[in-house]
Amino acid sequence: QKEVEQNSGPLSVPEGAIASLNCTYSDRVSQSFFWYRQYSGKSPELIMSIYSNGDKEDGRFTAQLNKASQYVSLLIRDSQPSDSATYLCAVIRGYGQNFVFGPGTRLSVLP
Amino acid sequence: DGGITQSPKYLFRKEGQNVTLSCEQNLNHDAMYWYRQDPGQGLRLIYYSQIVNDFQKGDIAEGYSVSREKKESFPLTVTSAQKNPTAFYLCASTTGTAYNSPLHFGNGTRLTVT
Repeated sequence: QKEVEQNSGPLSVPEGAIASLNCTYSDRVSQSFFWYRQYSGKSPELIMSIYSNGDKEDGRFTAQLNKASQYVSLLIRDSQPSDSATYLCAVIRGYGQNFVFGPGTRLSVLP
Repeated sequence: DGGITQSPKYLFRKEGQNVTLSCEQNLNHDAMYWYRQDPGQGLRLIYYSQIVNDFQKGDIAEGYSVSREKKESFPLTVTSAQKNPTAFYLCASTTGTAYNSPLHFGNGTRLTVT
């Protein structure tokens, strides 16, 4: 089992719809979770961070964390073609500062 | 403005040559990282350093070496022992003091070895 798993996609949604991206992790002591967006050929940029169970909203983005199920998700409301990118889930491994990334989900928002 | 500078953006080398990728940050971050990304794949950790003059191997350290002589700098050397060095290399940093501090990335170096 990989430490951080994501559906590779591609996930295609029509413009204006809600895109739902999922991530599961295996290390039960993980405390910090991050979503990054990566455009083709570019470096990842931070979208959201979440540390507590529940939902965290920032504009059109909502991160959801369920530590009991070891599950993190990212919802993108009112999806725009500019949201088309690969979304990486990252988890800090154990109690250190060692970040582990999932393989990413490629999102395509169709005009 | 603070940030992480990686150079060069593109690098071409012949097989068998060592090559050094530069990473400099002015964010006053303690922890620095090197990741490798292959097409269509996620990021894999090569090395990381949480303090000057100390660094740890990541998941794929074989064929790579690093140094951390200054807080601001964390160069990565890709040696001839690395079997498949062609990839996109990303340097990142974080404060290193808080468990919830995110990684900040440089713009990356795309290395092609022929």
